[in-house]
Amino acid sequence: GESVGLHLPTLSVQEGDNSIINCAYSNSASDYFIWYKQESGKGPQFIIDIRSNMDKRQGQRVTVLLNKTVKHLSLQIAATQPGDSAVYFCADDGSSNTGKLIFGQGTTLQVKP
Amino acid sequence: DTAVSQTPKYLVTQMGNDKSIKCEQNLGHDTMYWYKQDSKKFLKIMFSYNNKELIINETVPNRFSPKSPDKAHLNLHINSLELGDSAVYFCASSQEGQGVHQPQHFGDGTRLSIL
Repeated sequence: GESVGLHLPTLSVQEGDNSIINCAYSNSASDYFIWYKQESGKGPQFIIDIRSNMDKRQGQRVTVLLNKTVKHLSLQIAATQPGDSAVYFCADDGSSNTGKLIFGQGTTLQVKP
Repeated sequence: DTAVSQTPKYLVTQMGNDKSIKCEQNLGHDTMYWYKQDSKKFLKIMFSYNNKELIINETVPNRFSPKSPDKAHLNLHINSLELGDSAVYFCASSQEGQGVHQPQHFGDGTRLSIL
């Protein structure tokens, strides 16, 4: 079956360092990929997305990289801040055009002051 | 001016009861979703509606019945609640016109606890 997973359940970084959160997906036909941040007691918050016709996309302090050859997605956060502490989810559309997203299990990012 | 709002935020009830969760979005989106997040934070889609039409209906017990009175609202009714229904339920919305994916925007969740 389809699955989207993350390599590490918890990532601990020093404030000011860069963070890299990784994700593997299984459906080579997936066309749309998205990262969410979820803080305690809140809903997932959209960070950045990318389509399969791109391999890199940048936002404010964040970059998403897509490697379709090895079915790998990563989120890079520059100059990590305490406010970045949260659970991060990757998701993909599993080649569906219905809007369905398949979520990974989440990586907890802990930022040490 | 909350974009996707759900009520109630917390719901504590006994096994066997029937309850509803309401969701409203003011983003003008045409598609709304319900997700379930379990205790391990795994998020799984349950349903989606596009302009009041059911689009996604995952393998969910028929005790769960979504209702969309208009494209800005998607409510979730649950009959005969069971212990395993305890979870956080999230509503989301997006603009999915013409099959082009757009980001889904989530509410802050309803934490359902079954006693």
